[in-house]
Amino acid sequence: DVQLVESGGGLVRPGGSLRLACTAFGFNFNDHYMDWVRQAPGKGLEWVARISNKANNYTTKYAASVKGRFTISRDDSKNSLYLQMNSLKTEDAAVYFCAREGSGYNYGLLDFWGQGTLVPVSS
Amino acid sequence: DIQMTQSPSTLSASVGDRVTITCRASQSISRWLAWYQQKPGMAPNLLISNASSLQSGVPSSFSGSGSGSEFTLTVTSLQPDDFATYYCQQYYSYPLTFGGGTRVEIK
Repeated sequence: DVQLVESGGGLVRPGGSLRLACTAFGFNFNDHYMDWVRQAPGKGLEWVARISNKANNYTTKYAASVKGRFTISRDDSKNSLYLQMNSLKTEDAAVYFCAREGSGYNYGLLDFWGQGTLVPVSS
Repeated sequence: DIQMTQSPSTLSASVGDRVTITCRASQSISRWLAWYQQKPGMAPNLLISNASSLQSGVPSSFSGSGSGSEFTLTVTSLQPDDFATYYCQQYYSYPLTFGGGTRVEIK
């Protein structure tokens, strides 16, 4: 079965840094584009970042709200996705989900999601 | 960026009701639209892709329609397990964007 397991969340102070990880099971991780999506408490879903696969040169895209502060990366040898978050702001507080993009023509379709990891940002 | 607008934001309904949720895009997205269901404390679950393709395991009471900039999600007979929040999402272009969500609550 496809499974995505996030880790690394926790309380961080404004201005601080945190690195989230997501480990994938049950599918060919190498083949898929991967994303991070966040959800602030009681709010809707906000797409954060995407990284393509090796065949497409690991290209990255970011939401304007995080560009220059967050870095998405992956290690295919470990079936793992990462999100390095720097210069954190109170408005970055959210549950962070990793998600798999569909294959074929379905780029951008988020067909499997992890359970999320909570990142509170507070002094 | 493509803006996605969902309506209503909250919908009160009873078991057995037919409910419809609307999603409008700020520009044409062809049929590059997905619907997700999210229950409290859980991850979103993909229900429908390409505007109308039901994912495996999703009850046939769910259906999606539309193209261009206007889309609908319909549940023909609401079941207790269907009370949740629903989101639309465009994947025509990055940044990926979501509608604000529709909470379906018990009347």
